[in-house]
Formats: sequence, C-alpha cells, structure tokens
Amino acid sequence: ETGVTQTPRHLVMGMTNKKSLKCEQHLGHNAMYWYKQSAKKPLELMFVYNFKEQTENNSVPSRFSPECPNSSHLFLHLHTLQPEDSALYLCASSQDMGGKNIQYFGAGTRLSVL
Amino acid sequence: GDSVTQMEGPVTLSEEAFLTINCTYTATGYPSLFWYVQYPGEGLQLLLKATKADDKGSNKGFEATYRKETTSFHLEKGSVQVSDSAVYFCALSDVTGGSYIPTFGRGTSLIVHP
Repeated sequence: ETGVTQTPRHLVMGMTNKKSLKCEQHLGHNAMYWYKQSAKKPLELMFVYNFKEQTENNSVPSRFSPECPNSSHLFLHLHTLQPEDSALYLCASSQDMGGKNIQYFGAGTRLSVL
Repeated sequence: GDSVTQMEGPVTLSEEAFLTINCTYTATGYPSLFWYVQYPGEGLQLLLKATKADDKGSNKGFEATYRKETTSFHLEKGSVQVSDSAVYFCALSDVTGGSYIPTFGRGTSLIVHP
C-alpha cells in the first residue's frame, strides 16, 4: 500500500463513451501527476499539478481532461478516445516539485478502448 | 532535453546470479537519480536514489552509484532471488522552468528462474 489509490483498476470503453479515472492520496502531498504507460515505450508524463495548479501539459490531446479539485484528489476525464489510447494510466504524488522528492505511485487503471 | 537510456530487456538470470542493469542519462542541470521497481499488477515504487556525484544508493541488496563523469547510474545486486522478478526503471529529476520534472527510462524486465 503506497498511500495512492486509483479507481477503477480496469476500464473498458467504446470510442464514444465518456468516463473518468480517479486518484486519491492520503500522504499530505502537494504535487500530483498523471502518466501513461504503454508496452515497449517510456513512461509518458501527461499532466502535473502543484498545489492544485496545473504546471505541465505535455502536448496531451484534448480528449484527455484533468481536474484537481484539491491536493488529495486528481481526476482524468476521458471522451472520444482512440484505440491507441489503450494503456495503463498511473497516478503519482510527491511532497512538492523539489528535485529530491520521491514519487509515490498508485497501482494504475488498465484502460482498453474498443 | 533530458533523457534516460536503459539496457534492453528482458534480462534472464538464475537465482543467486549477479545482476547489472545499465543506465546512462543526459541532463542540462545537476539531476537527482532514482531506480524504481514495478512488480506485476502494481505501480512503481522507489528502490533507491542518489542526489549528488559519488553518492551510493542502496536498498534490499541493490546498489547504484551516481557517476557524474560517465553520466551513469548502473543498478547492481550480488545475488538475485526469484522475488526480484519485476520491471526496473531508471529515472532522473532535473529542474525545468523552476520545477523539477521527472524523466523515466523505458524500463528493464528482470526474470529470475529458480
């Protein structure tokens, strides 16, 4: 148990569906991250929030929409996804954006887009 | 930009064999370096870290030394166990625009046979 919980663990959706991924951390951290993990590719940083403010958006398509209502919760809203968006989506948190900070990861949501 | 290069996997070893997983990096600043491990069905978790040149990180029998002159952070373990089977990620954290943005390698799968 890392203190970062992601739900759901598995999600299957059609290309016209709208769904949301949820991440919750009880570590008192101020920075939260969304990553995409695809087979045989490096871990891709998608979004970063620091003190609830979005600080990074790594050219992610607009069909992915993040939301950070408070420092403990992070959402990733999905709509009109493509099959190539199928992947493991990982949430992480860290104390802040300092260089020595360790990232704590959730177990991920395995997304399949049909 | 910053990058992390890891040796291609999978690495397949017998129990009690010596392990080395190579990692080299490029960075514009003076990064902190990390090894994370991902067990099947789980998110990444920190294995060890080093924050300055010649520092040695160690945990659970694994070691890595921050070599600035060769820009390397190779992971080693003297005697691997079946339970060490996992994917290992080398990562760095370097400052970009005032915040530290993490960069991960592609990951190296380790398979240990009894």
